[in-house]
Amino acid sequence: GQNIDQPTEMTATEGAIVQINCTYQTSGFNGLFWYQQHAGEAPTFLSYNVLDGLEEKGRFSSFLSRSKGYSYLLLKELQMKDSASYLCAVREERRNSGYSTLTFGKGTMLLVSP
Amino acid sequence: DVKVTQSSRYLVKRTGEKVFLECVQDMDHENMFWYRQDPGLGLRLIYFSYDVKMKEKGDIPEGYSVSREKKERFSLILESASTNQTSMYLCASSLLHLPKTQYFGPGTRLLVL
Repeated sequence: GQNIDQPTEMTATEGAIVQINCTYQTSGFNGLFWYQQHAGEAPTFLSYNVLDGLEEKGRFSSFLSRSKGYSYLLLKELQMKDSASYLCAVREERRNSGYSTLTFGKGTMLLVSP
Repeated sequence: DVKVTQSSRYLVKRTGEKVFLECVQDMDHENMFWYRQDPGLGLRLIYFSYDVKMKEKGDIPEGYSVSREKKERFSLILESASTNQTSMYLCASSLLHLPKTQYFGPGTRLLVL
């Protein structure tokens, strides 16, 4: 099993930069995903990291340090539409089956204000 | 674009009823998953499947079963619905090869009275 921690809520202002942290403990790390979920909607894929370092995709970047069990999602030039829940998910090989599945953190609710 | 559809957006059932939740994906994905999402608990994996007629228990399989008779369709079955199964149910699918990014359906909000 694993433990995934991320802040429950964050607030930021339109146009600003915000960093959402995620820490995890796992016995068989196999990749880390970030998803965005607007209220009442399905999660949508944002980014994937399997090696250490920064992955940049437009206004969103994601960083991974496997030795520290740490990732962050960086959102630049915040817009009102970025108000959503951001889910950190770690892929790990399951002990009993050998298949790998995702375990999700509880999500960080980001509120962007004018 | 990957499309994952679920049979109902909202469902109201009575305690003891048998409930079927259907999920269909149109991208020929090998892997399919069922999650439930509850406030304060996040997304939790119920069952998953890596091939037709194949199923594996997730983290919270009790009270649920699944069926995968065709590659594109993965069904979640509540044999005898209970009030603690009131939740948002999300289906997802992914390819077999890395990175195995999961794509989600719109969800079914189930209320068990």
